[in-house]
Amino acid sequence: EVQLVESGGGLVQPGGSLRLSCAASGFTFSNYWMSWVRQAPGKGLEWVANIKDDGSVQYHADSVKGRFTISRDNAKNSLYLQMDTLRAGDTAVYYCAREIPSTTSSFDYWGQGTLVSVSS
Amino acid sequence: EIVLTQSPATLSLSPGERVTLSCRASQRPYINYLSWYQQKPGQAPRLLIYSTSSASNRATGVPDRFSASGSGTDFTLTISRLEPEDFAVYYCQQYSVFGQGTKVEIK
Repeated sequence: EVQLVESGGGLVQPGGSLRLSCAASGFTFSNYWMSWVRQAPGKGLEWVANIKDDGSVQYHADSVKGRFTISRDNAKNSLYLQMDTLRAGDTAVYYCAREIPSTTSSFDYWGQGTLVSVSS
Repeated sequence: EIVLTQSPATLSLSPGERVTLSCRASQRPYINYLSWYQQKPGQAPRLLIYSTSSASNRATGVPDRFSASGSGTDFTLTISRLEPEDFAVYYCQQYSVFGQGTKVEIK
C-alpha cells in the first residue's frame, strides 16, 4: 500500500525556518518525481516545488523561490522541504504528493498533510 | 504562465443530477488534457482524472460516472449522476497550475 506521511509542521515566527519531511512507503520511491503542494486555510491548492526521481533537478514556485528548497534522500525513502524566511502568507497545510510518470504532473497519491502556521 | 479559471465557484445540486464543471485556460495549453481532483473537508485531494500527452484517464477506483473532455482552452469534468459522496470541491490542474476550485454542494 502506498503511503506518504508528512511531519515537521508547527507554529513558527515570521522570518523563521522549518523543515518538513515526507516518509514514503509501499512503492519504489526512487522511480518517481515528487512534489510539495500547499493549501492555505479555506483556500485552493498551490503547487510549491517538485524534484526529479534521482534528485538532480528541482523546480520551485516563484512565490517560494530563494526561500524554500526541496530535496530527497532515496536511501531513506524521504522527501524534504526546507523553508526559510517564512512569512504569514506561507501558512498552509503542506502535502507531499507522488507524480504519475509521463503525465502532466498528475498526482496520484497524497499524504495527509502537515500544518505550518507562521505567526508572531 | 497559464492560468486555469474554474466556474462557477459554487454549484447547488441534488443527488441524481448531472453536473458539468468548467475549467478555462488563459491560453492554449501545451498539452490538451487536464487532471481533475476531488477534495472533501479535512481530507487530502483525490485524483479523479489524470492526463498524459495524448489522453485523459480515470484514476484507479474512480467510478465511470466521472468523465473529462475538452479542447483548446475549454475543459470540463462531468459527473453523470451525482451520488451523495460526490459533494465536494473539484480542482483542475496541469503541471504546476491549479484552478481555484468549484464547490458542489447539496441543494
